[in-house]
Amino acid sequence: AQSVAQPEDQVNVAEGNPLTVKCTYSVSGNPYLFWYVQYPNRGLQFLLKYITGDNLVKGSYGFEAEFNKSQTSFHLKKPSALVSDSALYFCAVRDTRYSGAGSYQLTFGKGTKLSVIP
Amino acid sequence: EADIYQTPRYLVIGTGKKITLECSQTMGHDKMYWYQQDPGMELHLIHYSYGVNSTEKGDLSSESTVSRIRTEHFPLTLESARPSHTSQYLCASSGLRNTGELFFGEGSRLTVL
Repeated sequence: AQSVAQPEDQVNVAEGNPLTVKCTYSVSGNPYLFWYVQYPNRGLQFLLKYITGDNLVKGSYGFEAEFNKSQTSFHLKKPSALVSDSALYFCAVRDTRYSGAGSYQLTFGKGTKLSVIP
Repeated sequence: EADIYQTPRYLVIGTGKKITLECSQTMGHDKMYWYQQDPGMELHLIHYSYGVNSTEKGDLSSESTVSRIRTEHFPLTLESARPSHTSQYLCASSGLRNTGELFFGEGSRLTVL
């Protein structure tokens, strides 16, 4: 079974400061990992993904995430937060080990609300 | 930008009405999904389809039904809406590469009075 944990329901950060949104995962095989962002009354927008290769992945809007296999983590980071980054962030995982008809599905974390304070 | 469309974006209806939420994608994706999301909260998979004439129930039990007669179209129907069905419904699709990456529509926010 695959699972994702986002330990913080909310993260507050001052504008201009670095931000981190945490994510840990559990899979049987190797993971595909994703970050999505959701603005109010909108669908989820893809930010970045880790499939293989370099552990540091760069994505949209200046976000990046670091895959750490030993800690089973995939934390989202940005060097300097903007007020416009305030949104709901979801981490998701897919196990590459096939285990039946539902194997292609992503499992999402519960989401972390990011508030950037001016 | 993903080419997946949901209509209506907002719907307010009375109890007992039948509603259909439409979802269409123009990317030729074989896999499509419906998620239910309460405001500011986690996503729950309610239905998915891996191709035409294939539909499965997701992790969260739902009184809604889906159909997949055409690749690009994956409508969700509630035969008799109740206030407990009030929620945001998100449609998504994924393609042939099977990395699992999902493309989401903008959502349909349903309010049942």
